[in-house]
Amino acid sequence: AQSVTQLGSHVSVSEGALVLLRCNYSSSVPPYLFWYVQYPNQGLQLLLKYTTGATLVKGINGFEAEFKKSETSFHLTKPSAHMSDAAEYFCAVSDYGGSNYKLTFGKGTLLTVNP
Amino acid sequence: DAGITQSPRHKVTETGTPVTLRCHQTENHRYMYWYRQDPGHGLRLIHYSYGVKDTDKGEVSDGYSVSRSKTEDFLLTLESATSSQTSVYFCAISHSGVEQFFGPGTRLTVL
Repeated sequence: AQSVTQLGSHVSVSEGALVLLRCNYSSSVPPYLFWYVQYPNQGLQLLLKYTTGATLVKGINGFEAEFKKSETSFHLTKPSAHMSDAAEYFCAVSDYGGSNYKLTFGKGTLLTVNP
Repeated sequence: DAGITQSPRHKVTETGTPVTLRCHQTENHRYMYWYRQDPGHGLRLIHYSYGVKDTDKGEVSDGYSVSRSKTEDFLLTLESATSSQTSVYFCAISHSGVEQFFGPGTRLTVL
């Protein structure tokens, strides 16, 4: 079964600083990879995805992530944090098992942005 | 959350009572999912559907049942609610089964 590890349940950065949220997955074949963002009391919103092609993918709100097969990683970055980026971020892996695709989520990383 | 609604959005119930949560979509997507979200656990799949009347279990299906009698609706039922089922429940939909879009969630408290 797939597993997704998000290193650090809580990351705190200053406004304007680099944001780096780490995600590693276990898979023997290239999976589909996603980052979702959840603002307080809301559902999950798709931030970006990797399916095939370019390994550096850009998402909404200035975020990007790079798929590194050799490291089984899909870390999320943003060059300059904004107060509005404060939220919980979930990495997820989709792979085909049985007869359908299924998403496996990491436990989430809560991002705090300090003024 | 466009195209996906969940009802009710909040519910408080007592142990042993039946509870049904509804997920409704207007996107005509084939796949629908129910997850629960608990602190420290992320999201865990309860059940999913890959077509009308076609459903299968997820990783935390014990104590839950589902039904899908038409494309747009996916119901999650707790036959006899327990305190361990206090959680936030999310419905998701997908056209291809790969990329999923989530509803706003239902906060359920079982006393």
